[in-house]
Amino acid sequence: AQSVTQPDIHITVSEGASLELRCNYSYGATPYLFWYVQSPGQGLQLLLKYFSGDTLVQGIKGFEAEFKRSQSSFNLRKPSVHWSDAAEYFCAVGLPGGYQKVTFGTGTKLQVIP
Amino acid sequence: EAQVTQNPRYLITVTGKKLTVTCSQNMNHEYMSWYRQDPGLGLRQIYYSMNVEVTDKGDVPEGYKVSRKEKRNFPLILESPSPNQTSLYFCASRGNTEAFFGQGTRLTVV
Repeated sequence: AQSVTQPDIHITVSEGASLELRCNYSYGATPYLFWYVQSPGQGLQLLLKYFSGDTLVQGIKGFEAEFKRSQSSFNLRKPSVHWSDAAEYFCAVGLPGGYQKVTFGTGTKLQVIP
Repeated sequence: EAQVTQNPRYLITVTGKKLTVTCSQNMNHEYMSWYRQDPGLGLRQIYYSMNVEVTDKGDVPEGYKVSRKEKRNFPLILESPSPNQTSLYFCASRGNTEAFFGQGTRLTVV
């Protein structure tokens, strides 16, 4: 069964600092990989996704993620964090095709300090 | 605009009183699912549906029912809610790529 691990429950960074959120997945093949963001009181918004091809993918709000097959990782990065980035971030995996569920990690809560 | 709409957004109910949370999508997706979100546990799938009249249990189905009579609608039914079902619920619809989520329903069972 597919699984997703986000080892950091909570991260605090200063505004303007760089950010990296870790995500590791477990599955026999390369699944589709996603990062979602949930702002307080909001639903989940897709930040970016990886299916194939270039292993560095760009997303919305200045985020990017890099797929590393050898490490089964899909870490999310941002060069300079803004206060509005404070939210909870979820890494997720899903098998290709529309009939497979998306499995989520337990989330990383990001706090941004001025 | 691609949308998943769930209602209500907030609901407080008493133990044992049947309730239904509605979910509707306008993307003609065949695959729909319900998740619950609890602190420290992320999102866990409750039930899913691969098409009209085709539903199956997810990871945490106890205490829930679903139905899929039409492609666009996938209601979540709690026949006899209990306090341990207090949670934030999300409906999702998936095409060939990512899943699209509703805004969430915060349910409190007292």
